[in-house]
Amino acid sequence: DAMVIQNPRYQVTQFGKPVTLSCSQTLNHNVMYWYQQKSSQAPKLLFHYYDKDFNNEADTPDNFQSRRPNTSFCFLDIRSPGLGDAAMYLCATAATRTVTDTQYFGPGTRLTVL
Amino acid sequence: GQQVMQIPQYQHVQEGEDFTTYCNSSTTLSNIQWYKQRPGGHPVFLIQLVKSGEVKKQKRLTFQFGEAKKNSSLHITATQTTDVGTYFCAGNTGTASKLTFGTGTRLQVTL
Repeated sequence: DAMVIQNPRYQVTQFGKPVTLSCSQTLNHNVMYWYQQKSSQAPKLLFHYYDKDFNNEADTPDNFQSRRPNTSFCFLDIRSPGLGDAAMYLCATAATRTVTDTQYFGPGTRLTVL
Repeated sequence: GQQVMQIPQYQHVQEGEDFTTYCNSSTTLSNIQWYKQRPGGHPVFLIQLVKSGEVKKQKRLTFQFGEAKKNSSLHITATQTTDVGTYFCAGNTGTASKLTFGTGTRLQVTL
């Protein structure tokens, strides 16, 4: 049973054309994270939501935005994708922000920018 | 900022050989987690270590957290082709629940 679902699994967009990636979870977790993972690199945290509280990482470009309309769903909006934004985007959830909480990752959305 | 390095970057072994990846943090960690990512897949949680000097085992996998809580290792005994993938350590500092992932070690196992 899928617990963290990401749609679509593959997304192709054009340079500068806005794109939205979706994440949903059936775990009822309070925390949802978005990571960017470029080829052969480690996942890099972009931002996270703790309930409705949005927490941006200092080095996340303004081009990346996020929305969490309810507990189950979280969206990643890329306002003007550049070639450098091509990557796998991973959504993860955790029950709380306690450091010992396990993060559960979705299958990811692979974004291609033409 | 915090940096977490892993060595080696890549290891190719024959099935049955042992494998070890080492993880080193520039800062003291609250805990360390290990993830496995198969080619084309997403990170899957393996284990978490919290205590200084802690050692945990999962079948052929042995995980260790250093005494100073700045380094960790994952050892696989008698590798199998199903062990293929990239192994990431990931650490938390202080009370923040933000994982900083290590650079990863890609393991290739051939018959």
